Amino acid sequence: DAKTTQPPSMDCAEGRAANLPCNHSTISGNEYVYWYRQIHSQGPQYIIHGLKNNETNEMASLIITEDRKSSTLILPHATLRDTAVYYCIVGLKLTDKLIFGTGTRLQVFP
Amino acid sequence: GAGVSQSPSNKVTEKGKDVELRCDPISGHTALYWYRQRLGQGLEFLIYFQGNSAPDKSGLPSDRFSAERTGESVSTLTIQRTQQEDSAVYLCASSSTGLLKPQHFGDGTRLSIL
Repeated sequence: DAKTTQPPSMDCAEGRAANLPCNHSTISGNEYVYWYRQIHSQGPQYIIHGLKNNETNEMASLIITEDRKSSTLILPHATLRDTAVYYCIVGLKLTDKLIFGTGTRLQVFP
Repeated sequence: GAGVSQSPSNKVTEKGKDVELRCDPISGHTALYWYRQRLGQGLEFLIYFQGNSAPDKSGLPSDRFSAERTGESVSTLTIQRTQQEDSAVYLCASSSTGLLKPQHFGDGTRLSIL
């Protein structure tokens, strides 16, 4: 079973920041949080991962709370092409089998 | 560079037939994974290869499902005596050596069993 909880859907206006929350209250100390997204009819795409520090790359930022029980993926300037299902996953290493929940369907509108 | 390639992209077959799905991982990637995604659902893990050995086959749903990998290259997933519940998108991913190397996915094979 997935060890994360995400809202089923969210909307965001184009050009605005999209903030996608994830609860992972049972995360253990050596487990990472990582995010993938799946655009319609494509395979999932890796976005970012983190352990306890906030992380940023060219795609997004990941903010992890101090108690590590929740995190937020931030797309700073959402575009229509960011419309996708976003999956938050926890695990010991990225090379483990990924256990996907149902994710958050993000709809970016003009 | 080239990503993970899967073929065919679509497959329609009759119940009871055998099907073979192919995955070409990114060159040099030692790890390879198969997942299944039913309509409107998340991905289910099927099997994981490290090189040509499969240390984790825990997700294969029945003995009708098998997979093999040649060296550190192509993998095939075979489903024998297909059933309608096998209809799904079958996704392959590969990753390079290292615990924090992300999995890169192909766009899958959409399998429809009539």
